[in-house]
Amino acid sequence: SQTIHQWPATLVQPVGSPLSLECTVEGTSNPNLYWYRQAAGRGLQLLFYSVGIGQISSEVPQNLSASRPQDRQFILSSKKLLLSDSGFYLCAWMEGYGEKLFFGSGTQLSVL
Amino acid sequence: SQKIEQNSEALNIQEGKTATLTCNYTNYSPAYLQWYRQDPGRGPVFLLLIRENEKEKRKERLKVTFDTTLKQSLFHITASQPADSATYLCALPMDSSYKLIFGSGTRLLVRP
Repeated sequence: SQTIHQWPATLVQPVGSPLSLECTVEGTSNPNLYWYRQAAGRGLQLLFYSVGIGQISSEVPQNLSASRPQDRQFILSSKKLLLSDSGFYLCAWMEGYGEKLFFGSGTQLSVL
Repeated sequence: SQKIEQNSEALNIQEGKTATLTCNYTNYSPAYLQWYRQDPGRGPVFLLLIRENEKEKRKERLKVTFDTTLKQSLFHITASQPADSATYLCALPMDSSYKLIFGSGTRLLVRP
């Protein structure tokens, strides 16, 4: 069966520090991969979307970047965090021909 | 651009009653629409998908309707239980891609 791993669960970082969040999927190949962010009490905002290795679509101009170095690995990064980067970050995957998303457990990021 | 509107006020109902949540979209009618459940601090979990040519879909105590004329989907939970308390998110594809956008969700509270 397919599983998605996302870590860490919580992270507290100072303003100006770098960020690296990792997500891996097991049990499937060539999935579509997603990064979403959810501010407190708000809906999910799509940040990045990938259909394959090295193929990244950025949905919202911001202080973040994403990379997909391997088929089932998706990384969210920042060189210098801003206060506004705080939020709940969720990784998700979709089978290439499927339509529903499977989410990871999320990372609660607090930038202080 | 497509916007999704869900009632931001929490829905508070008595156990055993039917909960009805609303999702409205503003522009083109999507090929399908989905509903997810999200518990605090967790990633959303897929519940139901309904296609544009389907008027109604059921799964156990859940029922979803899709009215492309009204640009609206209704999500019903019959015989509600306290365990149904959660936030329910509506999602639909952006354009004709596999990018899913989400509403801000409606929080449901079921009193025992």
